[in-house]
Amino acid sequence: DGGITQSPKYLFRKEGQNVTLSCEQNLNHDAMYWYRQDPGQGLRLIYYSQIVNDFQKGDIAEGYSVSREKKESFPLTVTSAQKNPTAFYLCASSLGLAGAGNEQFFGPGTRLTVL
Amino acid sequence: QQPVQSPQAVILREGEDAVINCSSSKALYSVHWYRQKHGEAPVFLMILLKGGEQKGHEKISASFNEKKQQSSLYLTASQLSYSGTYFCGTGWSGVNDYKLSFGAGTTVTVRA
Repeated sequence: DGGITQSPKYLFRKEGQNVTLSCEQNLNHDAMYWYRQDPGQGLRLIYYSQIVNDFQKGDIAEGYSVSREKKESFPLTVTSAQKNPTAFYLCASSLGLAGAGNEQFFGPGTRLTVL
Repeated sequence: QQPVQSPQAVILREGEDAVINCSSSKALYSVHWYRQKHGEAPVFLMILLKGGEQKGHEKISASFNEKKQQSSLYLTASQLSYSGTYFCGTGWSGVNDYKLSFGAGTTVTVRA
C-alpha cells in the first residue's frame, strides 16, 4: 500500500533536547512538506522540499531544521531554539505543485510533548 | 496570507444542511478542502481549480467563485460522520509555488 508514514505517533522530550521526527513516503512524490498544528488552529507550514537536496522555509521555520537526502524521506529536527515545540506535527507530500491543484497526502502525524 | 474561513463553528442536527466559506484577499488558483477528526490527519475531500468549477462527493459539494475569490463547501443532509473540523487550503494565482495556505478551520458538530 502506498502512503506516508510518520514515527513515532507520540514523542516526549525534555526541554533543551533536540528531537527528530521521521517522515517516509512511497508514493514517488517529488514534493514534501512539514506542518505544525496547535489546538484549535489551522496548519502552519514549517518547511517544504520540491526535490532532493533542496528545501525552502515556510511561515514558521525558526527553531526547526530539515534534510532531503532521499526522495522518499524528509525528517524534521525540532531544536532547542524552538520556544514552544509542543504541538501536533504533520508531514505531507504531493506529486507536483500543490498550489497548482495537486492533492497533498498527509501522514498520521506525531504528537510531540516537551516536558 | 491565510484564507479566512467562516463560520468558526456550526452545530447541526442529522439531516440539516450547512455552508462553510473560504475567502481570499488574493487571486486564487486552487482551493483544497479537508476534513480532520480529533487527533487524526486531515482527509482529502476535493480540489477546485480556477474556472468556477463545482464538485461533489456524495452529499458534500463545493463551488469556486472566481469573482469573489471565495470557495464554499456545502454539507447536505448531514450525517453523524460529517462531524469534524473542515479546512480549506488555497493556492495563489500567478505564483509558481508548491505551498498551500490553510484557513483556521470550521468545526462542525452533527447531533442525532
